[in-house]
Amino acid sequence: ETGVTQSPTHLIKTRGQQVTLRCSSQSGHNTVSWYQQALGQGPQFIFQYYREEENGRGNFPPRFSGLQFPNYSSELNVNALELDDSALYLCASRHQPPPPGQGETQYFGPGTRLLVL
Amino acid sequence: DAKTTQPNSMESNEEEPVHLPCNHSTISGTDYIHWYRQLPSQGPEYVIHGLTSNVNNRMASLAIAEDRKSSTLILHRATLRDAAVYYCILRGGSQGNLIFGKGTKLSVKP
Repeated sequence: ETGVTQSPTHLIKTRGQQVTLRCSSQSGHNTVSWYQQALGQGPQFIFQYYREEENGRGNFPPRFSGLQFPNYSSELNVNALELDDSALYLCASRHQPPPPGQGETQYFGPGTRLLVL
Repeated sequence: DAKTTQPNSMESNEEEPVHLPCNHSTISGTDYIHWYRQLPSQGPEYVIHGLTSNVNNRMASLAIAEDRKSSTLILHRATLRDAAVYYCILRGGSQGNLIFGKGTKLSVKP
């Protein structure tokens, strides 16, 4: 158990709809990253939030947006859903700066499986 | 960002050691080598990381070549619960994010 939780576990939406996914970080972690994992592929970095500000983004369009709250929980919002958005969405938390010896170790939640029809 | 090369899949027998290789010929002097694994229907899980010296923890050992262009994750006695996709990652991106490849799918036979 990593202490990172995500909700919901599964979700079905139709093309064009909007979706919000939620993540509760491990206690004390001030940084959260979101990843998209298509079937059979490794996770791909979407964006990262540090102390409620986005401070990094991968190659994803603006319809992917997020929020991080003062308690360090976070949301991933996806507008205008497309069929290719069907994937496992993972959040990962860590503390910055990292504790001595931990490097960039990230702690992942179990993910939300999104299916877009 | 530096890339890694791993075999697509490997098989092992239960209770035997497993050596999972990773090539990273373009590694820079400051890149840490991280290993994560992803069990079926779960998020990735940190396994081990190192810079230059070999590292051991309760899950595995990491052997790093002297020139750092390759490394090997060693599971000393594979169990059925070790069946997973194992990712070798050189370092985070500019924001500290992890850059995953496709990893090695490890199957463990009873």
